[in-house]
Amino acid sequence: GAVVSQHPSRVICKSGTSVKIECRSLDFQATTMFWYRQFPKQSLMLMATSNEGSKATYEQGVEKDKFLINHASLTLSTLTVTSAHPEDSSFYICSARASGGPYQPQHFGDGTRLSIL
Amino acid sequence: QKEVEQDPGPLSVPEGAIVSLNCTYSNSAFQYFMWYRQYSRKGPELLMYTYSSGNKEDGRFTAQVDKSSKYISLFIRDSQPSDSATYLCAMSANNQFYFGTGTSLTVIP
Repeated sequence: GAVVSQHPSRVICKSGTSVKIECRSLDFQATTMFWYRQFPKQSLMLMATSNEGSKATYEQGVEKDKFLINHASLTLSTLTVTSAHPEDSSFYICSARASGGPYQPQHFGDGTRLSIL
Repeated sequence: QKEVEQDPGPLSVPEGAIVSLNCTYSNSAFQYFMWYRQYSRKGPELLMYTYSSGNKEDGRFTAQVDKSSKYISLFIRDSQPSDSATYLCAMSANNQFYFGTGTSLTVIP
């Protein structure tokens, strides 16, 4: 149980392109989803927290207009990197937490490796 | 001071060894404690989850929490090459999650 699917797993695109990443909870309802960025050999860096049906809460230093997050249903959240540039190249990982209280752990997707040329 | 401290390693052990991974924390409000395993180029996978002091066992894995010392551990018995990965501790309180930096483990056949 508690499977989170993230697509695509790998994206290579030209500078200026917008890229959408999907995060789905397959066998549970996720009231809260998280988006992380991870650099090589470093830990997870939280970018934003999204709750179903409401605006995402972004961490300090993360540009809201650059990283658009939509959490339209209890099983789907999307992250759109708008007008991506080489410095946006990174490993992006989503996670989902089931409804049912603050003791629910996060379950992670397998990440999306984004490379901007 | 970071909320969660974790030695990044790397840690290298022979196959069959007992592995001990540890994290310390400063916030006494943390109530829930997790260990994740992350293979290269993959997302973290939840291994163990506990919310009380004491031990929790699952197969070859034992999670230990000592709230009085603000210290958590993950023990891996009979370690296997397939256990080679980065292990992240995580803690939560008040709907906030905090992750350690991860410990890189290599189990040598």
